[in-house]
Amino acid sequence: GQSLEQPSEVTAVEGAIVQINCTYQTSGFYGLSWYQQHDGGAPTFLSYNALDGLEETGRFSSFLSRSDSYGYLLLQELQMKDSASYFCAAASGNTPLVFGKGTRLSVIA
Amino acid sequence: GAVVSQHPSWVICKSGTSVKIECRSLDFQATTMFWYRQFPKQSLMLMATSNEGSKATYEQGVEKDKFLINHASLTLSTLTVTSAHPEDSSFYICSARPHGAYEKLFFGSGTQLSVL
Repeated sequence: GQSLEQPSEVTAVEGAIVQINCTYQTSGFYGLSWYQQHDGGAPTFLSYNALDGLEETGRFSSFLSRSDSYGYLLLQELQMKDSASYFCAAASGNTPLVFGKGTRLSVIA
Repeated sequence: GAVVSQHPSWVICKSGTSVKIECRSLDFQATTMFWYRQFPKQSLMLMATSNEGSKATYEQGVEKDKFLINHASLTLSTLTVTSAHPEDSSFYICSARPHGAYEKLFFGSGTQLSVL
């Protein structure tokens, strides 16, 4: 089967840096995506890593290590609006994305 | 980015009635759309994959006769919850991805269904 593991909750201080880890076990792995979802809203795409290394998009960065079946999402200069749930998802060709259970990030003052 | 429109945003219905939810890709053609269900503070649970012009593929445990999916065109998929019961109350979200972009899903805004 396919599964992704990520922490259920993370709390961090405004202005700080937080890292959300994701380990995966999937067959036919293509890459790892990250999505953000605010309460009551729909998930929005943040980033995608197909190759090993770090991808940076503004305050958000995402990392992948295929050999370790591991990735993370790094959020810098945290803002209150970053409080949301973050999901990692594994892409395997044309099959549906498999989502992790989500990490609920709470940013506190 | 691509836009996926989902309607209605919320619906309240009586037990035993049917509810139809529409999902449209507004600026790209989506041969495949996905329907998810989400309970509060939980992950997205894939219900079915909707394929244009063919039958939907349902995930294990999802009743295809209860959750009817129709994908009549490249831009529209519908989910009908038939004979809804209170246990069907949930947040339903559709998504679509442009052809070839297997890593990126664009989600509709979701439909909060409450069955009384």
